[in-house]
Amino acid sequence: DVKVTQSSRYLVKRTGEKVFLECVQDMDHENMFWYRQDPGLGLRLIYFSYDVKMKEKGDIPEGYSVSREKKERFSLILESASTNQTSMYLCASSLGVLDYGYTFGSGTRLTVV
Amino acid sequence: AQKVTQAQTEISVVEKEDVTLDCVYETRDTTYYLFWYKQPPSGELVFLIRRNSFDEQNEISGRYSWNFQKSTSSFNFTITASQVVDSAVYFCALSSRSSNYKLTFGKGTLLTVNP
Repeated sequence: DVKVTQSSRYLVKRTGEKVFLECVQDMDHENMFWYRQDPGLGLRLIYFSYDVKMKEKGDIPEGYSVSREKKERFSLILESASTNQTSMYLCASSLGVLDYGYTFGSGTRLTVV
Repeated sequence: AQKVTQAQTEISVVEKEDVTLDCVYETRDTTYYLFWYKQPPSGELVFLIRRNSFDEQNEISGRYSWNFQKSTSSFNFTITASQVVDSAVYFCALSSRSSNYKLTFGKGTLLTVNP
């Protein structure tokens, strides 16, 4: 089974810090995604990538950036963390497009204080 | 733009009851895919089913069944004889060409099965 691993389950950071959330998948998937999940808002797409060094903005990219230097790794970066970025962050990967479901990591619950 | 609506925010049932989770979608594409995911308290979303727009056959997998009706743009999910372990948030999702292959999720339905 493909595995998507997120480096931290829980994180607490201070306002203004630069935060890195790491995601690694082990099945050579082309596509990787970052979502945030908030109560009442469901899952919202932040950024996604269809290939190495390629990235595209999702629905809520403001305050975030991403990096994909290697196929298996997709990092989400909070340039200057703010309290409204306190959330659950979910990474996902998929083999193809359109007809493939996503495999998700276990999530990182980030608290910005 | 595509959209997925899960009108039920929360559902609470007693064990062994049947429960149906509703999902209504919008897309202008003729080719699209629908998904259901389960998110237990542990947090990881688990893939349950994928259905393409050309296959309207209902599907049954154990206690789970899915009813896909293009005429009403619905893809409903029924759990028969619910169990406490079914307690989770369930998400319906849609993928189509007009969304540039991105998966669009509904806001989820929290199902609580009480003993």
